Amino acid sequence: NFMLTQTHSVSESPGKTVTISCTRSSGSIASNSVQWFQQRPGSSPTTVIYEDNQRPSGVPDRFSGSIDSSSNSASLTISGLKTEDEADYYCQSYDSSSRWVFGGGTKLTVL
Amino acid sequence: EVQLLESGGGLVQPGGSLRLSCAASGFSFSDYAMSWVRQAPGKGLEWVATMSGSGSSTYYADSVKGRFTISRDNSKNTLYLQMNRLRAEDTALYYCAKHTGSLHRFDYWGQGTLVTVSS
Repeated sequence: NFMLTQTHSVSESPGKTVTISCTRSSGSIASNSVQWFQQRPGSSPTTVIYEDNQRPSGVPDRFSGSIDSSSNSASLTISGLKTEDEADYYCQSYDSSSRWVFGGGTKLTVL
Repeated sequence: EVQLLESGGGLVQPGGSLRLSCAASGFSFSDYAMSWVRQAPGKGLEWVATMSGSGSSTYYADSVKGRFTISRDNSKNTLYLQMNRLRAEDTALYYCAKHTGSLHRFDYWGQGTLVTVSS
C-alpha cells in the first residue's frame, strides 16, 4: 500500500507562482497517473490536472502538472496567482492494492 | 450536462444504518464505474467504495469493508451506498463521483450528502 504526502499549507502573493508537491511513499510515481483536484470552500472537488500533466477544458494554462521520478513526487504549479485560486488542492493516484489514494491536501492562501 | 445528486444523509446513532443514493444524469450511466468518496469535517478526501459500470466488480476501503455495500440500478441511473454498523468516525460528507473511461480517475463529483453518526 502507498500514501501520498502533501505539504499542509502554502501561501503566496497574487501574480506570483506557487508549486504544490505530492510525494508517493512506495512504488513509482510514474506507475499510475496523478490527478490534482481543486476544492474551494463549501464546494465539491474539481479536476485541474489529470494524467500527470493534462488540463481539462476550461482550466486556465496557469495550471500545470509534472512528475519527478528522482524524488518520486508529483507537482502542481500555478503561475500568475489570482485570489480565486485560493482553495484546497488534493493529489490522487491509484494502484491495484491500495486502489484510489488521495493526498492529505494542501491549503493554498493567496494574500 | 453531467449531474450527480446525492441524498439520504442524516443523523444516525452509532451502530445504526443508512442508505445513500446518487441520481445520475447527462451520460450513459451503465458505461462508467462510480464511486463514493467521503470527507470528514475539516479533513481531506477518502475513497470509500467503487462499482464497475456493469455492477460485476466492487472495491472497498479497508475502513468500511464488511459494513458498507455499494450497488447500482442501471435502469434507474442510480448509485447506492448501504451503510451498516455506523461509527462516529464515519461522520462525513459523502460524495458520489463518476469515473472516466479510465477506472483510475474521477471526472465529475456531486455536491455531497452529510452523514452524522452521534448519540
